[in-house]
Amino acid sequence: DTAVSQTPKYLVTQMGNDKSIKCEQNLGHDTMYWYKQDSKKFLKIMFSYNNKELIINETVPNRFSPKSPDKAHLNLHINSLELGDSAVYFCASSLGDRAFFYGYTFGSGTRLTVV
Amino acid sequence: EDQVTQSPEALRLQEGESSSLNCSYTVSGLRGLFWYRQDPGKGPEFLFTLYSAGEEKEKERLKATLTKKESFLHITAPKPEDSATYLCAVQEGNTDKLIFGTGTRLQVFP
Repeated sequence: DTAVSQTPKYLVTQMGNDKSIKCEQNLGHDTMYWYKQDSKKFLKIMFSYNNKELIINETVPNRFSPKSPDKAHLNLHINSLELGDSAVYFCASSLGDRAFFYGYTFGSGTRLTVV
Repeated sequence: EDQVTQSPEALRLQEGESSSLNCSYTVSGLRGLFWYRQDPGKGPEFLFTLYSAGEEKEKERLKATLTKKESFLHITAPKPEDSATYLCAVQEGNTDKLIFGTGTRLQVFP
């Protein structure tokens, strides 16, 4: 009964490969996010979707492409992986404006290591 | 540019030794300030939202306060299970994104 689930939990891949991370939430939330946490534990937003519509698209390389097939899923595809992409990627969801009261719910993260 | 700074970076406490964590922020039009707890290998877990200066929220041994420039997370008589990284984040008035600080890593020893 995990609220926000991400797969895989660990991902080790070579430079230049293409990989995807999947995220699903069963909370009925209408907004989903991708955050990146670097080695210094700094969390930075990458994208957000509200009911399958892209809302936030921060300064992220074009190699990163989010896809939201429905409001319960938000996947992240990364092309031509680089060493600097190594980080922990967190998916999160919220009730949009009501995030004030309930906050965001985060998944447990995907640790991506590019070698 | 919006900014969130947390101090100290790390804090070691003896069980029962109360202390405070600081979060200083600069943001144009604060919509809310959030506190999260993050355990190793896990995602951040929501603790509180504060909306306006003077507001206070409490949860067990934690109490969060807010002024116009900073927020404090007071930990009263901490226990080892309070050990975690505590993250502060702010939300601008017209966006949905959270801007996080780099956190305070708290260790409580028995």
